[in-house]
Amino acid sequence: EAGVAQSPRYKIIEKRQSVAFWCNPISGHATLYWYQQILGQGPKLLIQFQNNGVVDDSQLPKDRFSAERLKGVDSTLKIQPAKLEDSAVYLCASSGGSRETQYFGPGTRLLVL
Amino acid sequence: GNSVTQMEGPVTLSEEAFLTINCTYTATGYPSLFWYVQYPGEGLQLLLKATKADDKGSNKGFEATYRKETTSFHLEKGSVQVSDSAVYFCALTSTDSWGKFQFGAGTQVVVTP
Repeated sequence: EAGVAQSPRYKIIEKRQSVAFWCNPISGHATLYWYQQILGQGPKLLIQFQNNGVVDDSQLPKDRFSAERLKGVDSTLKIQPAKLEDSAVYLCASSGGSRETQYFGPGTRLLVL
Repeated sequence: GNSVTQMEGPVTLSEEAFLTINCTYTATGYPSLFWYVQYPGEGLQLLLKATKADDKGSNKGFEATYRKETTSFHLEKGSVQVSDSAVYFCALTSTDSWGKFQFGAGTQVVVTP
């Protein structure tokens, strides 16, 4: 069974530029999550999708971050414009349903200069 | 709300030593408990889980028992190897959190030869 795929693996941009990350969840998983993991900390949930609807985006900085999950499969997370404090690893995860195990992708490491 | 508290690291051990990482939680609803492991440069991998009180999760020599009376889910391994060096995250989700996971801050484990 293929795991969660993410791209790119690494990205370096300058502040005020924009960046987009892509995630392809495990086939059949209805729930998709985007996390931000700052160095030395646990993952912080940014947004949770159930199919193509948003369940929770309470911690998403909506003035600069946006996410979509068209057709309930792949998802993209965008940052525009980026700030220095956005430097982190962005993790995508998927699960088969509520209280089910989350499976994580390898993450995208973002460095904002 | 839900929360997870785990012991701070780094925890430094010699090979073949006994490892314990403490994890306690507060939760509304009925939580499921998880331990994830993150190796350098990688995403989180599920290590083990328990979905009800007194369940014991186990994998790769690691064990954790869901203790409702002490609201704990401590991770143990009897004889660690250098390859166990990683960051370990305790996490929970509950019946009233709509699949949202709450992660601890992580505990770094360093095993020396």
